Amino acid sequence: QKEVEQDPGPLSVPEGAIVSLNCTYSNSAFQYFMWYRQYSRKGPELLMYTYSSGNKEDGRFTAQVDKSSKYISLFIRDSQPSDSATYLCAPFTGGGNKLTFGTGTQLKVEL
Amino acid sequence: GAVVSQHPSWVICKSGTSVKIECRSLDFQATTMFWYRQFPKQSLMLMATSNEGSKATYEQGVEKDKFLINHASLTLSTLTVTSAHPEDSSFYICSAPGTSGSYEQYFGPGTRLTVT
Repeated sequence: QKEVEQDPGPLSVPEGAIVSLNCTYSNSAFQYFMWYRQYSRKGPELLMYTYSSGNKEDGRFTAQVDKSSKYISLFIRDSQPSDSATYLCAPFTGGGNKLTFGTGTQLKVEL
Repeated sequence: GAVVSQHPSWVICKSGTSVKIECRSLDFQATTMFWYRQFPKQSLMLMATSNEGSKATYEQGVEKDKFLINHASLTLSTLTVTSAHPEDSSFYICSAPGTSGSYEQYFGPGTRLTVT
C-alpha cells in the first residue's frame, strides 16, 4: 500500500463547477496536510495547508482533513480555466521533514 | 516569500556524459534541501535529502554513485547526474524547508534533463 493515494484523473469540469479532489494516507504520524498546485513544466507551489483535522477556507478553496479516516479533500468553488493544473496532496510530519506526495490529480476546467 | 532557484532550467546532454544541476536558496539559508524527480504525468518522487556539511541521504533504489549530491554551502546544493542514460531524462526539482519547525517548503522551478 502506498503511503499516499490520489486519483490521477484527468478530471474535466465546466467553468463554474465545484471540484472535489481527494487523497487517502496510511501514516498516522502525519500532522500537516499540504496541497500543492503544479502547472505544466513548473515546480509545485503551495496552495494551502491544514494542521491536524478540520477545515480551512481560503477564497474559493477549502481544505478538509479527517484524521480518523485518513482522508484529505480539497474543494474548489466557482472553478476557473486558470485552475487547470495538477493538484498534489502532500501530508507530512512537519519540522522540515520530507514531504510524501500523492500521484497528483490533473484538473482541466473548460470554458 | 522565500525563493529557490535552479540552474539550468533545461539541459540536453549526450549519453555517457555528466550534467550538474544547481539549487540555490536566494534569500534564506537551508541546511537541508530535497531533490525530487518527476516523470511525465507522474508525481514527485523524493530522490535524496541533501545536508549541508555532511553526506546526503538517499531514498531506497536511488544510486548514490550515479546521482552525486553536494551541499557546498547554506544556500547551494548541486545534483550531478553521472554517466547519463536516456532513462535519466526527467524533470528534477529541488526544495528547501523554511525556518526551523516551519511547515513551509519552497520549491525550485525545476530542471528538465534530456539525454540523447
